[in-house]
Amino acid sequence: QKEVEQNSGPLSVPEGAIASLNCTYSDRGSQSFFWYRQYSGKSPELIMFIYSNGDKEDGRFTAQLNKASQYVSLLIRDSQPSDSATYLCAVANYGGSQGNLIFGKGTKLSVKP
Amino acid sequence: SQTIHQWPATLVQPVGSPLSLECTVEGTSNPNLYWYRQAAGRGLQLLFYSVGIGQISSEVPQNLSASRPQDRQFILSSKKLLLSDSGFYLCAWSLRAYTGELFFGEGSRLTVL
Repeated sequence: QKEVEQNSGPLSVPEGAIASLNCTYSDRGSQSFFWYRQYSGKSPELIMFIYSNGDKEDGRFTAQLNKASQYVSLLIRDSQPSDSATYLCAVANYGGSQGNLIFGKGTKLSVKP
Repeated sequence: SQTIHQWPATLVQPVGSPLSLECTVEGTSNPNLYWYRQAAGRGLQLLFYSVGIGQISSEVPQNLSASRPQDRQFILSSKKLLLSDSGFYLCAWSLRAYTGELFFGEGSRLTVL
């Protein structure tokens, strides 16, 4: 059973701090990694994806991937109250089936003013 | 630009009643279309996906069905709802098949009583 694990939180950080969200996965053949942001009662929104080991930066967001450790993380610099949301990690090893995109249950982030 | 709409946004249905959720995409042709369900305490679960008109792949055996009568229209149906069908139903689209780069609709929250 392929699994994607996230700490459910809530992760509470003060405004302006760095929020670090972590995700581990069980399938060593995973190829693609995604981070979605989901505000309460709303649908998920794709914010980052990463396909290669290392870091990928986009504005205040940095995705980090370590395939050897089966670990992917999302860093949010200068956190803002508007970043308060649940962050979903998704991991894919397609193998010819969309069903091989597995979502974690999400980590709830709370940024305190 | 591309947009996706789904409706209804909220519905409360008795056990055993039928269900129809509809989703349409605008601004693109030949989109890949998906139905996901997000139940309380669980990750996003892929229900159906479609890479073209009349082509439906089912990922989870259940009492739900999907149809794609037009290129940019995707419908989720049930003849008889179960209590376990309650959840947040999300339609999504993507440019490519087998991708985690998904764009979700606003979602339909279903409560089965």
